[in-house]
Amino acid sequence: QVQLQQWGAGLLKPSETLSLTCAAYGGSFSGYTWTWIRQPPGRSLEWVGQIDQSGSTSSNPSLQSRVTISIDSSKTQFSLKLNSVTAADTALYYCARVLYRSYSMDVWGKGTTVTVSS
Amino acid sequence: QSALTQPASVSASPGQSITISCSGTFRDIGSYDLVSWYQHYPGRAPELLIYKVTERPSGVSNRFSGSKSGNTASLTISGLQAEDEADYYCCSYTSGSAFVVFGGGTKVTVL
Repeated sequence: QVQLQQWGAGLLKPSETLSLTCAAYGGSFSGYTWTWIRQPPGRSLEWVGQIDQSGSTSSNPSLQSRVTISIDSSKTQFSLKLNSVTAADTALYYCARVLYRSYSMDVWGKGTTVTVSS
Repeated sequence: QSALTQPASVSASPGQSITISCSGTFRDIGSYDLVSWYQHYPGRAPELLIYKVTERPSGVSNRFSGSKSGNTASLTISGLQAEDEADYYCCSYTSGSAFVVFGGGTKVTVL
C-alpha cells in the first residue's frame, strides 16, 4: 500500500514562499493524480490544487496566481509552492492521492503545519 | 463559509445510528455522483470512508454507508461505537470555481 511522506518549512514570514514536497513509497506512482489540501486552524478542509502524471495542473481559483505544483516521477515526488504568503495561509497542509476518476482522496500524508508570522 | 453545508455536531449513544447531511447545489452534489466522506481524528490524516456517493474502500467498516437525494448527500453510521467519535467531512466535485469543495465538518460525539 502506498504511503505518502511530506516535508517542508514550517515557519514562514509574510511575503515568503511556502515550499512542501510529498514522496510516495511502496506503491504505484504513475497513472494517478496527486493533490494538496489544507486546513486552517479551527476551519474546514480546503482544496489547494492537483497535478496528474502528464504534469497538467489545476488549482483553487482563490489561490491560483500564487500556486505552483510540480511533479518528478523519477523520484515519485510532487511539490507545492505558494508564494507571497500571509497569515491567512497558516494551515495544516496535506498531500494526498486522488482515487481514479472519483475526485476523492484515498491516501493521505500525515500533514505539515505551516505558520506564517512576522 | 464552506461550499457544502453540514451540521456542526451530532451526538448519540453507543449502538444507535446517526445520519450526517451534506447540502450542496446543482453545481456539485445535485449533478455529479462524486461525493466522498472522510473521518478525521485530530492530529491524524483524514481517512476516506465513502467515495462516489455509496462506494466503500476495502477495509472500511460496513457500518458506514452513503446516499444522495437531490442536492443533499448523507453519511449514516450504524451501531455507533466510541471509536466513531471524530470529525466527518463531505466533499464533492463541482463545476464551479474549484474542482472539489468540502463541507464545514461535523463533530460526532458518542454519549
